[in-house]
Amino acid sequence: DAGVTQSPTHLIKTRGQQVTLRCSPKSGHDTVSWYQQALGQGPQFIFQYYEEEERQRGNFPDRFSGHQFPNYSSELNVNALLLGDSALYLCASSSPGTGFFYGYTFGSGTRLTVV
Amino acid sequence: AQSVTQPDIHITVSEGASLELRCNYSYGATPYLFWYVQSPGQGLQLLLKYFSGDTLVQGIKGFEAEFKRSQSSFNLRKPSVHWSDAAEYFCAVGPGVSLDSNYQLIWGAGTKLIIKP
Repeated sequence: DAGVTQSPTHLIKTRGQQVTLRCSPKSGHDTVSWYQQALGQGPQFIFQYYEEEERQRGNFPDRFSGHQFPNYSSELNVNALLLGDSALYLCASSSPGTGFFYGYTFGSGTRLTVV
Repeated sequence: AQSVTQPDIHITVSEGASLELRCNYSYGATPYLFWYVQSPGQGLQLLLKYFSGDTLVQGIKGFEAEFKRSQSSFNLRKPSVHWSDAAEYFCAVGPGVSLDSNYQLIWGAGTKLIIKP
């Protein structure tokens, strides 16, 4: 049973560039959340997608945007990259309608380095 | 303000010794509480969760945690650690009832567990 799959695993980008990160949720899950984890910090909530719509957004600028597809997979897009965007980006999925009540399943993350 | 505090950035424990990782939270309503573990290069794995009922909850890998409402704490314990327990541990809280459509988890900064042979 495949868990949450994220791609790519590592990425190096230059300041000002744009990046797209991808996430395939665990089979049977329909809700996808994205978190940013800076080095030495806990994850910070970016946003959550459910039924192809952004259901909730954390305190992140509009440079961070997302999308959810009909097959429940999701993309995180970051425009005009800053050095401070360097972090591990985690995708988490959960089962229908339960949000996090039964615990999210996390992917291994995408390590983004902005130089 | 909603927050989670893990007071210990690092903890070093000898293999076979007992472990307690501390977690304190500040939350306006009755929270749901979680402990996750993150091994190097890996995602976050759920160890255990507390929603209601018995305040002592059992999780995977021999871990347990106790919810103490009066102390706003949810400390993680293990009677005897193994070298494979070396990892970073995160405490997280979320709303017990999503009346305001709040689905996000608030996370502590993590405690890195180091095991001495």
